[in-house]
Amino acid sequence: EAQVTQNPRYLITVTGKKLTVTCSQNMNHEYMSWYRQDPGLGLRQIYYSMNVEVTDKGDVPEGYKVSRKEKRNFPLILESPSPNQTSLYFCASSTRTGQGNTGELFFGEGSRLTVL
Amino acid sequence: ILNVEQSPQSLHVQEGDSTNFTCSFPSSNFYALHWYRWETAKSPEALFVMTLNGDEKKKGRISATLNTKEGYSYLYIKGSQPEDSATYLCAFFPPAGGATNKLIFGTGTLLAVQP
Repeated sequence: EAQVTQNPRYLITVTGKKLTVTCSQNMNHEYMSWYRQDPGLGLRQIYYSMNVEVTDKGDVPEGYKVSRKEKRNFPLILESPSPNQTSLYFCASSTRTGQGNTGELFFGEGSRLTVL
Repeated sequence: ILNVEQSPQSLHVQEGDSTNFTCSFPSSNFYALHWYRWETAKSPEALFVMTLNGDEKKKGRISATLNTKEGYSYLYIKGSQPEDSATYLCAFFPPAGGATNKLIFGTGTLLAVQP
């Protein structure tokens, strides 16, 4: 089954304790992206990756890191989480081979993170 | 700052009613528009990807139209059913983001269909 898998789905942590949210897709998609969803705001892009070893900042990258060592995985790293990073996070992937490709996004099930 | 606006914010209808809502986006240099359906406790799922002015797409009872010259898209649901209850998101793909798949999402329209 084609899917995007995120873990953990739910996490409560404390300020400053490093955490990683994993994301894996089995569709051989080149493009992967992380979004956060906050009440009253649309999905906002944190980081994206056009392909292996190619990553770039989205609209709200502060406090986050990513890596893309393999095509299928795109982990989101919070080195020193703070309460303002409490949010619902979505990983997404799509076919994207360059300008002109407007593939639909396939989303993971979301990771609800609370930072105390 | 590029903005995508959706209206109304929420909508309550009775089963069997037909309904529609709007997504407004900057009309200059349009690239693409996506519609997603997001059910509570699930992940957003793509409904339509629209790229051409005048595009009309249909999936079952749901259809969408696109007017890139005036900067809006309509989503229609014919004969709403309780299972249509969800948040409907539109996402605009601006030209500068064309090389980076940088979708800009609206805040969505929350549809509740009462049996």
